[in-house]
Amino acid sequence: DAKTTQPTSMDCAEGRAANLPCNHSTISGNEYVYWYRQIHSQGPQYIIHGLKNNETNEMASLIITEDRKSSTLILPHATLRDTAVYYCIVRVGVSGNTPLVFGKGTRLSVIA
Amino acid sequence: ETGVTQSPTHLIKTRGQQVTLRCSSQSGHNTVSWYQQALGQGPQFIFQYYREEENGRGNFPPRFSGLQFPNYSSELNVNALELDDSALYLCASSVGQGFTDTQYFGPGTRLTVL
Repeated sequence: DAKTTQPTSMDCAEGRAANLPCNHSTISGNEYVYWYRQIHSQGPQYIIHGLKNNETNEMASLIITEDRKSSTLILPHATLRDTAVYYCIVRVGVSGNTPLVFGKGTRLSVIA
Repeated sequence: ETGVTQSPTHLIKTRGQQVTLRCSSQSGHNTVSWYQQALGQGPQFIFQYYREEENGRGNFPPRFSGLQFPNYSSELNVNALELDDSALYLCASSVGQGFTDTQYFGPGTRLTVL
């Protein structure tokens, strides 16, 4: 089972920041938080991941709370093309190439 | 684009038949993972191949099997198809080294079982 809890759906106005929350209260010290998104019927797209420090790349920012029990994915200027299902994943296991355990994710709708 | 390709794009089979799906991994990647995504659900892990050997398996019956070739491309085989096997089948490739290794997904193969 997925170790994360996300809202089922969210709306965001085009051009505004989209803030997608994720709870992972049982995360272990050596588990990373990964974010993927899936645009309708396509393969999931990797966005970002982090351990405990905040991370930023060209797509998004990841803010992880100090106790690591929750995180927020921020899309700074959402566009219509950001409409997708966003998955927050805690990667289980301690070593090796462990599988991704997906929940149901958050369906983000960006509205013009 | 991730560089991970899958074929075919769509496939229709009837119950009881067998199917083979194919995946070409991104250049430099030696690990391929397969996932099944039923309608309205998140992807579920089927199994993973690392350097031509199965390296982990999810809760799927033995009629789901796979192969990885020396060039690290991979096949997913499903025997005795059932109606519930209708799904989007995804493969993901990765470098296969280290805990933070990131998996990159292909576009998927949509399988319909009638």
